[in-house]
Amino acid sequence: DADVTQTPRNRITKTGKRIMLECSQTKGHDRMYWYRQDPGLGLRLIYYSFDVKDINKGEISDGYSVSRQAQAKFSLSLESAIPNQTALYFCATSDSSEGHNSPLHFGNGTRLTVT
Amino acid sequence: AQSVAQPEDQVNVAEGNPLTVKCTYSVSGNPYLFWYVQYPNRGLQFLLKYITGDNLVKGSYGFEAEFNKSQTSFHLKKPSALVSDSALYFCAVRDARQAGTALIFGKGTTLSVSS
Repeated sequence: DADVTQTPRNRITKTGKRIMLECSQTKGHDRMYWYRQDPGLGLRLIYYSFDVKDINKGEISDGYSVSRQAQAKFSLSLESAIPNQTALYFCATSDSSEGHNSPLHFGNGTRLTVT
Repeated sequence: AQSVAQPEDQVNVAEGNPLTVKCTYSVSGNPYLFWYVQYPNRGLQFLLKYITGDNLVKGSYGFEAEFNKSQTSFHLKKPSALVSDSALYFCAVRDARQAGTALIFGKGTTLSVSS
C-alpha cells in the first residue's frame, strides 16, 4: 500500500548497534502497528498505538521501543540489535472510525539483517 | 487469550480446480476474522472479513470464506484457482469483546497453483 511508507526498505547492521525503522502514512488513520515476519512463524505484533498518546506492547516487545511522533508517524527502534532480530518488519495502519473490525493497511516492509 | 491456527504450511492445486486454505480460531467472545494475501516483496493486502451476519463472505479477486461457529473455522475458498493466486495467505482474528487489542495472525499458508 503506497500510502504507508516504510524506510529503509533494506538495512544491514551489526550486533549492538542502535537502529530506527520509520513508518509514515498519508491515509489519515489514527491507529498504527509494528509487526515482524519470520518464516514459519507468521506475523507477530511488536507494538501498537491507537492514537498519538497511546502506546501498547504486543506479543514480542522485548528489545524494541517505539515512538509515535505524530498521527502520521510511528517509528520502531532496536536499542542494541542482536542477530535474532533479523526479520522482515511491517508497519500497518487502521481507521478507528470503521470500528474495531477495520482492516489493516500494510507498508511494503523493511528487511533487517543483524550480523 | 485469542489465537489462530493455519494447519497447512502449503497447499498445492492445479489451475482451474477449487482451492481451500484452512483456518481455525480461538477467542473467548465473538470473533472478527480476516484473510490477507502477501505477494513476494510486498506487504499484506486485505482480502475479506467476517464480522457478523451471513456465514459466507465474499471478497477480492473471487475469493470467499465460510464462517463456521461450531467448528471455530474460517476457511478461504475459490471455485477456480489461477496461477496468479499463488502467494502466502494469512488468517487473522480479534476478539470482539477485547476492543483494545490488535489483530493476531496465523503462521501463513503458501498457496501454489500449477498450470
